[in-house]
Amino acid sequence: QTVVTQEPSLTVSPGGTVTVTCASSTGAVTSGYFPNWIQHKPGQAPRSLIYSTTKNRSWTPARFSGSLLGGKAALTVSGVQPEDEADYYCLLYYGAGRWVFGGGTTLTVL
Amino acid sequence: QVQLVESGGGLVKPGGALRLSCAASGFTFGDYYMSWIRQAPGKGLEWISSTNTGGFNKYYAVSVKGRFTISRDNARNSLFLQMNSLRVEDTGIYYCARLFEDEVEGLRVDQIDFWGQGTLVTVSS
Repeated sequence: QTVVTQEPSLTVSPGGTVTVTCASSTGAVTSGYFPNWIQHKPGQAPRSLIYSTTKNRSWTPARFSGSLLGGKAALTVSGVQPEDEADYYCLLYYGAGRWVFGGGTTLTVL
Repeated sequence: QVQLVESGGGLVKPGGALRLSCAASGFTFGDYYMSWIRQAPGKGLEWISSTNTGGFNKYYAVSVKGRFTISRDNARNSLFLQMNSLRVEDTGIYYCARLFEDEVEGLRVDQIDFWGQGTLVTVSS
């Protein structure tokens, strides 16, 4: 069974920088996994932020960026705002139409 | 603007069935792959199924394969999820999502861009 692992929780100060990582039990994450990042706030619909590793959606603030880092996918938020407090999920593609979500990271802005 | 509105959720007993619908508007529905994703109470998101533009290719997570069927009606701009043999662990919010194709290094993959608000499914005796 494929497992995608993220940090369960992270805390950052307003204006700071934070990185969420995403690892695959199958090995190093590459661009071929088409890493996506999704933001989910309580009571709201999830919102897609980043696709194909590094590409921001048109509505994604520029402070969000995606990359590959040490065999993992990564989401970096630079200049964190209070409204960035949310759950963040990575999503990886394993071929034949199959996707697997990471367990999610709760980001607290304190 | 793109809108996805799910309906059909509710309370059902274990072993029962439910059919979810997703009404799409604001885009040419038949041009896009579509997916269902769910979230159990207190848990993370789980991809459960996708279908291609014509509805002929269907993909399922192991957890629902053989019990759930995804389908679509492009003439009615609608996506469906028929859920049979429901279990307590199928309880959660079910989201419909649109997928948008992107190409990287010669590989084309359809990826989620828009999400619906979700519909709640509760499986309990």
